[in-house]
Amino acid sequence: GIQVEQSPPDLILQEGANSTLRCNFSDSVNNLQWFHQNPWGQLINLFYIPSGTKQNGRLSATTVATERYSLLYISSSQTTDSGVYFCAVPYYGNNRLAFGKGNQVVVIP
Amino acid sequence: NAGVTQTPKFQVLKTGQSMTLQCAQDMNHEYMSWYRQDPGMGLRLIHYSVGAGITDQGEVPNGYNVSRSTTEDFPLRLLSAAPSQTSVYFCASSTGTSYTFGSGTRLTVV
Repeated sequence: GIQVEQSPPDLILQEGANSTLRCNFSDSVNNLQWFHQNPWGQLINLFYIPSGTKQNGRLSATTVATERYSLLYISSSQTTDSGVYFCAVPYYGNNRLAFGKGNQVVVIP
Repeated sequence: NAGVTQTPKFQVLKTGQSMTLQCAQDMNHEYMSWYRQDPGMGLRLIHYSVGAGITDQGEVPNGYNVSRSTTEDFPLRLLSAAPSQTSVYFCASSTGTSYTFGSGTRLTVV
């Protein structure tokens, strides 16, 4: 099946710092999702980004489908950005999502 | 507008017991799915449904059963609980491009 790898697995940021999270995937896909899981376990869909760049406040994401990777940028990080960021791609059509193992981000004040 | 509602939030089962995890959505989404989350493993798809009366298996379906009699409800049944099914379970509904997750059920099988 399709492999999804995320790096770095763990990241500690000082509040106000910027960071980049990476998601590599092994096969061609026609879309990609980014999710954030907060420290209380709630999962939020951040981006649906098949290609190009999208922005949502201090977060932005870029997918380069031809090179099989996506990047999530966090600018001016805040403590509320802490949690785990997952990328996920569809396989066997669009009805199954394969998740990476996540990027654990801790933002310290 | 509640989104996706999962019950219960916590459950402890003995090996061999059965139970049903409930999931309901009020967004009229056709697509619903169940995932389990284990430490260091990310989320893995158990079963999914693309509409009432239509279900299919995901990556880790063994030991679980689903049905979709209405658009709103997608229950997950554990037929005979095993310690390997100790996990956090998430239900999701989707438009195909946007996913909404429930708050999760933490299940422990002893």
